[in-house]
Amino acid sequence: EVEVVESGGGVEQPGRSLRLSCKTSGFTFADYAISWVRQAPGKGLEWVGFIKSEAFGGTIEYAASVKGRFTVSRDDSNSIAYLQMNSLKTEDTAVYYCTSSLGVWGQGTMVIVSS
Amino acid sequence: DIQMTQSPSSLSASVGDRVTFTCRASQGIRNDLVWFQQKPGKAPKRLIFAASTLQSGVPSRFSGSGSGTEFTLTISSVQPEDFATYYCLQHNSYPYTFGQGTNLEIK
Repeated sequence: EVEVVESGGGVEQPGRSLRLSCKTSGFTFADYAISWVRQAPGKGLEWVGFIKSEAFGGTIEYAASVKGRFTVSRDDSNSIAYLQMNSLKTEDTAVYYCTSSLGVWGQGTMVIVSS
Repeated sequence: DIQMTQSPSSLSASVGDRVTFTCRASQGIRNDLVWFQQKPGKAPKRLIFAASTLQSGVPSRFSGSGSGTEFTLTISSVQPEDFATYYCLQHNSYPYTFGQGTNLEIK
């Protein structure tokens, strides 16, 4: 069974850091791009960032709102992706979803940035 | 950045109605468009990719069309489980961008 599970969310103060994990199973993780998408409370979906498979060069791209603060990475040997979030802002408060090539999604993990 | 504009922002329909959602791109994106359905508290679910290809397991009452800058998602006969919010996403160029969503409500 294909599964994507995010973890690592929680409450953090502005300026601090959090690292989200995206653990997958049931498919060949290394073959797929991984995107992170977020949704602020009561708002629409926002694409955050993306890492291609190594076969496609492992290209990484970010939304302007997080570029320079967030880092996407992947560990193909363990089928896990990460979203390192530094210099957190209150506007980063959202549910963060991990998705494999936009087709398989996790249940999301909530991040609250508040003093 | 490519702007994706969905219309209407909300739509009221009855079970059995035919409904159509529109998504317009600020510049041409070929057919690099995905439609998602999202229910409250749940992750988005991909319905259509490549603008018109139905995701495996999605009922055939859903269909997508369009290319370039204008795209539509049609539900031929709305069912109770279809009341949700629908989003389009362009993945033609970075940053990928979502439309603001269309909320399908029960009339």
